[in-house]
Amino acid sequence: DIQMTQSPSTLSASVGDRVTITCRASQSINYWLAWYQQKPGKAPKLLIYKASSLESGVPSRFSGSGSGTEFTLTISSLQPDDFATYYCQQYNSYWTFGQGTKVEIK
Amino acid sequence: QLQLQESGPGLVKPSETLSLTCSVSGGSISSSSYYWGWIRQPPGKGLEWIGSIYYSGSTYYKPSLKSRVTISVDTSKNQFSLKLSSVTATDTAVYYCARHAAALPFDPWGQGTLVTVSS
Repeated sequence: DIQMTQSPSTLSASVGDRVTITCRASQSINYWLAWYQQKPGKAPKLLIYKASSLESGVPSRFSGSGSGTEFTLTISSLQPDDFATYYCQQYNSYWTFGQGTKVEIK
Repeated sequence: QLQLQESGPGLVKPSETLSLTCSVSGGSISSSSYYWGWIRQPPGKGLEWIGSIYYSGSTYYKPSLKSRVTISVDTSKNQFSLKLSSVTATDTAVYYCARHAAALPFDPWGQGTLVTVSS
């Protein structure tokens, strides 16, 4: 199984902050990585696919980068609607999620 | 616009079989090159892929759950189903269905349904 490890588990930030979340794969997954945003009581929402491709309708303040085993999700200027939990997910070999990163208000 | 909707009992007794159905609207479940998957999320915890079925009928299961999981498709009803046998309290979770593809992640998702395992 490919294991996905996110860091940090929790992140405290303020509106306007630049936020970066890291996701590491236990083996190379090329660029087959997605990022999701999940709010309480809701299904995850796809933000980024193929490591850096922005899903249609997702604000441009979200960006993804990386390949191989190390990936990042960056929010360039945190907005009130962005306080949520973020998950990475690999789809190179079967499908595995990271444990999540909760972005909370500082 | 493709939409998915989970349905099934919200309460299942320990040792019994959990059965859920995902109804697909706005598109055909027989569309080539797509997978139809099940993901779950225990209360307050992260997401766990359970298994998927390819449009051709091939199935893929998480190894640790493989002995208890069956996913099937009913093309006549445009639905796919999940059966998880011998459930315990650790199977209590919100269960989601979603579409995906070889080069695409899970999207869209159903709204999710909470299944509680309790006597």
